[in-house]
Amino acid sequence: TQLLEQSPQFLSIQEGENLTVYCNSSSVFSSLQWYRQEPGEGPVLLVTVVTGGEVKKLKRLTFQFGDARKDSSLHITAAQTGDTGLYLCAGARWNNNDMRFGAGTRLTVKP
Amino acid sequence: DAGVTQSPTHLIKTRGQQVTLRCSPKSGHDTVSWYQQALGQGPQFIFQYYEEEERQRGNFPDRFSGHQFPNYSSELNVNALLLGDSALYLCASSPPRQLYEQYFGPGTRLTVT
Repeated sequence: TQLLEQSPQFLSIQEGENLTVYCNSSSVFSSLQWYRQEPGEGPVLLVTVVTGGEVKKLKRLTFQFGDARKDSSLHITAAQTGDTGLYLCAGARWNNNDMRFGAGTRLTVKP
Repeated sequence: DAGVTQSPTHLIKTRGQQVTLRCSPKSGHDTVSWYQQALGQGPQFIFQYYEEEERQRGNFPDRFSGHQFPNYSSELNVNALLLGDSALYLCASSPPRQLYEQYFGPGTRLTVT
């Protein structure tokens, strides 16, 4: 059983559409990160959220950390083909040095 | 400034053999973590090295071992390879006192036949 559940597992949309992907857990995290991974490459860190209720914006990407620090969402506005990739969330628990990853959401943005 | 580098890029081994994977962290980083990513899955934490010692270990058998050198580079060793060890092995480095700011290398694709 994954500590972090990501949904949906797969998402295929047209360029210009908006989308939201989710990362949920029953555990509380001290911080949560979102990564994007492209085929044949390692994950690239997009954002770290550390405060419950925190919202961070990175151009067309909006990240939110749940008030209870158990969940997070990533919203993309006006998706572009370059947004295609595997989106991974990862959480750090209190007094624990390992990062736990979800299985990811595989996003395909079609032209 | 070079990012995290890993070698080799690809590797094919036979069941029962041993393998060593290498990682050079990003300049200025002192902590190295290793992950295993099976096809279609997220990375699974193997272990983390800091000051040449294993600081934390995930749920992996003793066949998986590692080392960190004084220059902060690291090796991952896997003994008695199983078919299920086939995966992308990722190394991530972190700067001092910022453990969760991880920068990943491109990975080593290991295939066990």
